[in-house]
Amino acid sequence: AQTVTQSQPEMSVQEAETVTLSCTYDTSESDYYLFWYKQPPSRQMILVIRQEAYKQQNATENRFSVNFQKAAKSFSLKISDSQLGDAAMYFCAYGTPNTGNQFYFGTGTSLTVIP
Amino acid sequence: ETGVTQSPTHLIKTRGQQVTLRCSSQSGHNTVSWYQQALGQGPQFIFQYYREEENGRGNFPPRFSGLQFPNYSSELNVNALELDDSALYLCASSLGPRETGIEKLFFGSGTQLSVL
Repeated sequence: AQTVTQSQPEMSVQEAETVTLSCTYDTSESDYYLFWYKQPPSRQMILVIRQEAYKQQNATENRFSVNFQKAAKSFSLKISDSQLGDAAMYFCAYGTPNTGNQFYFGTGTSLTVIP
Repeated sequence: ETGVTQSPTHLIKTRGQQVTLRCSSQSGHNTVSWYQQALGQGPQFIFQYYREEENGRGNFPPRFSGLQFPNYSSELNVNALELDDSALYLCASSLGPRETGIEKLFFGSGTQLSVL
């Protein structure tokens, strides 16, 4: 069974500093994708970054980057130069072509950015 | 390009009633997925519709049902509401998995359902 675990219910970071959010997953699949989604108070889930498991290179999107450790089944998100607008719930998610677009989500990490 | 829209934004029902939630997919997307997000939890997959047919279902009872229309909009119906059905219901659209493998999901802002 596929599971996604986020062990940090809450994190905080000073504005302009760097923070890392953790995620681990469990799967027996070899072809899968990992995602980080952001959910601000507006409730809309916004895609932050996407990683294909077959790619060894870690994905980056501007200030957001991941540390993908396939053997350890770890997928952490690093936010650099944190901004007040980064404050939100962050969800790690997993999906595999074998289940179409059925995504499995973690329980989320609430990120607070301190001015 | 229009995004994913959901209606209504909030809804209050009583136990035993039936509810219909609606979703318009993003322009060009033919797949709609529905997720239930209970308070303090991550979203859980309910089911997915691809070109008007159900294309996968999560661990939800049959009283959760859906439809997809020719314009790819979708409805989620829940019969015999229970207190535990209180949650945020999220709709997400994407290109079909048969065309692209796996694709990013684009979410709406959800419908907050309260069952009293």
